[in-house]
Amino acid sequence: QVHLQESGPGLVKPSETLSLTCTVSGGSTSSYYWSWIRQSPGKGLEWIGYIYNSANTNYNPSLKSRVTISIDTSKNQFSLRLSSVTAADAAVYYCARDGEGGTFPHPSGYFDYWGQGTLVTVSS
Amino acid sequence: EVVMTQSPATLSVSPGERATLSCRASQSVLSNLAWYQQKPGQAPRLLIYGTSTRATGIPARFSGSGSGTEFTLTISSLQSEDFAVYYCQQYNNWPPYTFGQGTKLEIK
Repeated sequence: QVHLQESGPGLVKPSETLSLTCTVSGGSTSSYYWSWIRQSPGKGLEWIGYIYNSANTNYNPSLKSRVTISIDTSKNQFSLRLSSVTAADAAVYYCARDGEGGTFPHPSGYFDYWGQGTLVTVSS
Repeated sequence: EVVMTQSPATLSVSPGERATLSCRASQSVLSNLAWYQQKPGQAPRLLIYGTSTRATGIPARFSGSGSGTEFTLTISSLQSEDFAVYYCQQYNNWPPYTFGQGTKLEIK
């Protein structure tokens, strides 16, 4: 059974960089696409971006200028960095796995395993 | 960006009855549509992908239908554990993948 677990600071100051890590167990990050998704009362569920292997990423155009997703397959982890955060970036952040059948360059596009989510607050 | 609109926002149904939830896309997403269930304090759970394929372990009372811009999730006989928020998500026109705003299914 695949298990994902988010970790990182729950409080970030405005204008600083949000950094989260997702640790995957029961499966390998060398395969599949791995995404970050956030959920806030104002915007609902919002896909942030994905990574496949080490060099293939795709980001939500609305966040692209501020987002970096990276992966460390040796640790079976992938990470999110979101720069210049504002109050609008406060949300529960989830990591998630692309569904079965997705292969490069075509992800499945839906998400079959999710982490439990981590709440990030933006405040000075 | 494809906008997904779900209706109604809240649906009140009695246990044992049928629930029908709707999702509309602002442009055709073919059959690339997924449904998720979310309970308070939990992550979304994949129910349906490809419009009508149930995910592993999902009971047969959950079914999906539609194509193009109009989609439906039907729960044939509501159990107590089915009362939750349901989201649709398109993955045909991306980036970005986009979600609907959700339908809250509550006990009548």
